[in-house]
Amino acid sequence: EIVMTQSPATLSVSPGERATLSCRASQSVSSSLAWYQQKPGQPPRLLIYGASTRATGIPARFSGSGSGTEFTLTISSLQSEDFAVYYCQQYYNWPSGPSGPFGGGTKVEI
Amino acid sequence: EVQLVESGGGMVQPGGSLRLSCAASGFTFSSYSMNWVRQAPGKGLEWLSHIDSSSSMKHYTDSVKGRFTVSRDNGKNSLYLQMNSLRAEDTAVYYCARTVSPLYFQYMDVWGKGTTVTVSS
Repeated sequence: EIVMTQSPATLSVSPGERATLSCRASQSVSSSLAWYQQKPGQPPRLLIYGASTRATGIPARFSGSGSGTEFTLTISSLQSEDFAVYYCQQYYNWPSGPSGPFGGGTKVEI
Repeated sequence: EVQLVESGGGMVQPGGSLRLSCAASGFTFSSYSMNWVRQAPGKGLEWLSHIDSSSSMKHYTDSVKGRFTVSRDNGKNSLYLQMNSLRAEDTAVYYCARTVSPLYFQYMDVWGKGTTVTVSS
């Protein structure tokens, strides 16, 4: 079973600052990792897949990096619309076991 | 416009059943595998089930195995989740989501807005 752990649980950032979110896998998931953004009352939105490829329509200020067990989502200059919860998801080992493919999320707050 | 619209949620008593539906439009539904994902109030995302494009392969998370059944009707561009023996801990918003692969679980690029299920006496 692969367990996905995100840190920190909450990240307090000012608009215009850089935000760095981490996602760690308990064993290698190669580059089979996606990032999602979720705002209150909305469904998740795909941001990044393949660890570093931006999904269609995602601004360039969002970037993903990493492979194996350590991954990072970076928001280069936070805009007001970026304050949300961010989830990572592995799709390397599936079905992924009782802990599921998603990390627990990081809330980015002002 | 590519769209997924869930329906069928509501309030049900513990031990009861519900059938959720997800109507797809704007893409060739039969070319994609599909998922159900839920989110309990104030909690994170929980993947529940995946079905491939031809209904040949179905997978479930342990917590719903034996109680929930995923199905699809490609002729009606629809995905379903039959939920039996519902428990209070099944209370959540239920999302359907598209996977880019017709066969395998991968990342989910299109999500519905969700339907709310409340299990309470």
